Amino acid sequence: EDQVTQSPEALRLQEGESSSLNCSYTVSGLRGLFWYRQDPGKGPEFLFTLYSAGEEKEKERLKATLTKKESFLHITAPKPEDSATYLCAGWGGATNKLIFGTGTLLAVQP
Amino acid sequence: GAGVSQSPSNKVTEKGKDVELRCDPISGHTALYWYRQSLGQGLEFLIYFQGNSAPDKSGLPSDRFSAERTGGSVSTLTIQRTQQEDSAVYLCASSRQVDDNEQFFGPGTRLTVL
Repeated sequence: EDQVTQSPEALRLQEGESSSLNCSYTVSGLRGLFWYRQDPGKGPEFLFTLYSAGEEKEKERLKATLTKKESFLHITAPKPEDSATYLCAGWGGATNKLIFGTGTLLAVQP
Repeated sequence: GAGVSQSPSNKVTEKGKDVELRCDPISGHTALYWYRQSLGQGLEFLIYFQGNSAPDKSGLPSDRFSAERTGGSVSTLTIQRTQQEDSAVYLCASSRQVDDNEQFFGPGTRLTVL
């Protein structure tokens, strides 16, 4: 069964304290791995798409990487405004749909 | 509009009533998706449209759920005889085409069934 699992469920960081969020996947025929950010009461906001193992993408303090089994979202020197839920989704599999993980709730304290 | 819009933003209804949720995708986007997000759950795929047709309805939880899209634009998700377990945030997303899976999401409709 196609599945995406994110860890940790919640993460609390001090401002400036770098860390990584994990997304492990078992999606047959993976065509892409997506990262989204979701703020309370809002829809997910697209961050990155990774298409092949070894690929990396960066945006401000965020960097996403992909291997054949998992993806990491690295957050360097986070700020309070980075606080949000980060969602990972695999595209492909038997149904060619986005399969979402349950997200990591990140809180960055000043 | 610049983004995906959904209405209403909040809907409170009584068990057994029917509800209609509306989604206006980004202009020119041919693919439209409906998801459901329950507390503590990941986004659950419901249905997608390519133009006005829905090739994949496999995610609809029961026959009380239906969706349509007209003119390749606006879509409505209808839930008949609502149940308490239908309470969730219903999210709509659109993308330029099905094979371009950079989906842009609307703000969602929060449905509460009493």
